[in-house]
Amino acid sequence: EDQVTQSPEALRLQEGESSSLNCSYTVSGLRGLFWYRQDPGKGPEFLFTLYSAGEEKEKERLKATLTKKESFLHITAPKPEDSATYLCAVQDTGRRALTFGSGTRLQVQP
Amino acid sequence: GAGVSQTPSNKVTEKGKYVELRCDPISGHTALYWYRQSLGQGPEFLIYFQGTGAADDSGLPNDRFFAVRPEGSVSTLKIQRTERGDSAVYLCASSLAGGPSDTQYFGPGTRLTVL
Repeated sequence: EDQVTQSPEALRLQEGESSSLNCSYTVSGLRGLFWYRQDPGKGPEFLFTLYSAGEEKEKERLKATLTKKESFLHITAPKPEDSATYLCAVQDTGRRALTFGSGTRLQVQP
Repeated sequence: GAGVSQTPSNKVTEKGKYVELRCDPISGHTALYWYRQSLGQGPEFLIYFQGTGAADDSGLPNDRFFAVRPEGSVSTLKIQRTERGDSAVYLCASSLAGGPSDTQYFGPGTRLTVL
């Protein structure tokens, strides 16, 4: 059974204070690992897809990396508008369903 | 272009009643998914449609839950004899499917409250 564990559950940063969010996963065969951002009262918003260990992707202040057991979402010099819940999900080979972690609630204070 | 839309945005019902939740996917997306999200948790998979057929319904919790997609576009999630434990946000997603990048794009969700 696929499993995704995200840590920490919550993170409070000062504006400009860089940090990383962790996503540990177990899957029989990885088709893709997805990062989403979710604002309160809204649906998840797609950020990145990673397919194989060693892959990295960047978007503005966010950078996602992937190993065989975990993924990291690095946030460089965050701003208050980066405050949201960040969700990690895996897609197993042979299935289309995503298995999500419980998310990391990020708060960036000015 | 328009994203995934869901109606209603909020639904309050009484225990034992029947409800229908609607999802309108991104135009041209052949795959459609339903997920359920409880407070403080990530979305949980319910069912996946490829075209008109349910390709994977392994996430439906019991036979009170049923979903259809008769013309391969709009989908309706139907819940019979609702229970208080059914209260959650029901999310719909769609994707192009069939290729290596099967990115699922989510709608805003329907918040269901069962009193």
